[in-house]
Amino acid sequence: DAGVTQSPTHLIKTRGQQVTLRCSPKSGHDTVSWYQQALGQGPQFIFQYYEEEERQRGNFPDRFSGHQFPNYSSELNVNALLLGDSALYLCASSLVFGTTNTGELFFGEGSRLTVL
Amino acid sequence: AQKITQTQPGMFVQEKEAVTLDCTYDTSDPSYGLFWYKQPSSGEMIFLIYQGSYDQQNATEGRYSLNFQKARKSANLVISASQLGDSAMYFCAMREGLSNFGNEKLTFGTGTRLTIIP
Repeated sequence: DAGVTQSPTHLIKTRGQQVTLRCSPKSGHDTVSWYQQALGQGPQFIFQYYEEEERQRGNFPDRFSGHQFPNYSSELNVNALLLGDSALYLCASSLVFGTTNTGELFFGEGSRLTVL
Repeated sequence: AQKITQTQPGMFVQEKEAVTLDCTYDTSDPSYGLFWYKQPSSGEMIFLIYQGSYDQQNATEGRYSLNFQKARKSANLVISASQLGDSAMYFCAMREGLSNFGNEKLTFGTGTRLTIIP
């Protein structure tokens, strides 16, 4: 049973460039969330996608956008990169659930972005 | 204000001893869930244990237990009989509201780096 997979694992960009990160959710999951984890910090919620629509959004500028495809996979796009965008970007998947479920998120190993 | 506070940036524990990682939280929502995740150097966040705000008993999962003190708003993780493989970052996280559609946002603390000494 494949877990959450992310690509690329590492990448280096320069300020002002654009980047696209990709995520395939755990088999059977239909919801994808993205988190940004700066060095030495806990992950911060960027947004969540379900049924190809953005359902929740954290406190991130519009430079951060995303997409979910019919097969539930997702992309995170960041435009006009800043030095402060350097971080580990984690994708997490889950299944629409009821109150009887703990609803834990399953995370991938992340994409480490360095902006020079 | 911080919603999740982890006051121990790092801890060193002898192998086979028990360890408690502290977590306090802040919310006005009566319905919430508390999670602990382990993050090894690979970067993947590994789910350990969950406690719902209405759960009457403290959660346990193998060597992991959660010491839930609702009035004090604390949710400490206890690891019994620590092993070398337990060395990692540990994050406490909270989801406010019921665990239903459209509410998967987790708020994380800053983490505790646990090092197990042989």
